[in-house]
Amino acid sequence: EVQLVESGGALVQPGGSLRLSCAASGFTFSLYWMSWVRQAPGKGLEWVGNTDEEGTDKYYVDSVKGRFTISRDNARNSLYLQMGSLRAEDTAVYYCARNDAPGTVDYWGQGTLVTVSS
Amino acid sequence: DVVLTQSPLSLPVTLGQPASISCRSSQSLVHSNGNNYFNWFHQRPGQSPRRLIYRISDRDSGVPDRFSGSGSGIDFTLKISRVEADDVGIYYCMQGTHWPWTFGQGTKVEIK
Repeated sequence: EVQLVESGGALVQPGGSLRLSCAASGFTFSLYWMSWVRQAPGKGLEWVGNTDEEGTDKYYVDSVKGRFTISRDNARNSLYLQMGSLRAEDTAVYYCARNDAPGTVDYWGQGTLVTVSS
Repeated sequence: DVVLTQSPLSLPVTLGQPASISCRSSQSLVHSNGNNYFNWFHQRPGQSPRRLIYRISDRDSGVPDRFSGSGSGIDFTLKISRVEADDVGIYYCMQGTHWPWTFGQGTKVEIK
């Protein structure tokens, strides 16, 4: 059974940093692109970024470019989102998701909440 | 960025009746390879999204055949042939043809 479990969400001050993790199981992690998607409280979904199978090619939405970095450790079946220079508008539930094919994601984790506030 | 505009944003439905959600894109979603990377997701309150449809009309495993997707180019539709109580929640369209991937605003489906 495919499982994605996010962790690392916390309350952080504006300008601060945080690293989210996503532990994958139930599939061969190293064969899949992976994504991060976020959802602000009471709002819609926003794609954050993707990484290819090896962590070489990465794509980000403009609002996080230069502040967020996606990485992965295939030996540990883990995906990461390093978040820096955090702003109030980054407050959201962050989901990791598996890209089972180009242009789409199938399985999602349960999400982890990041709150940026002083 | 590609803007996806869903309508309606709120959809009260009667159990057993059909329902339809539209999603219009600000540009064609035909990829240079000829594919359309267009999806529909359903999110129940307090849950993670679940994909229903990918590549416009391919239904995910376990998704009832009451759900169908159609469309091409810039106009897409999700249809529910007979609404059941379990179908409540928010439906999002999503395109993965152009970077950055983008979602529609969401359509909230509730039972009358």
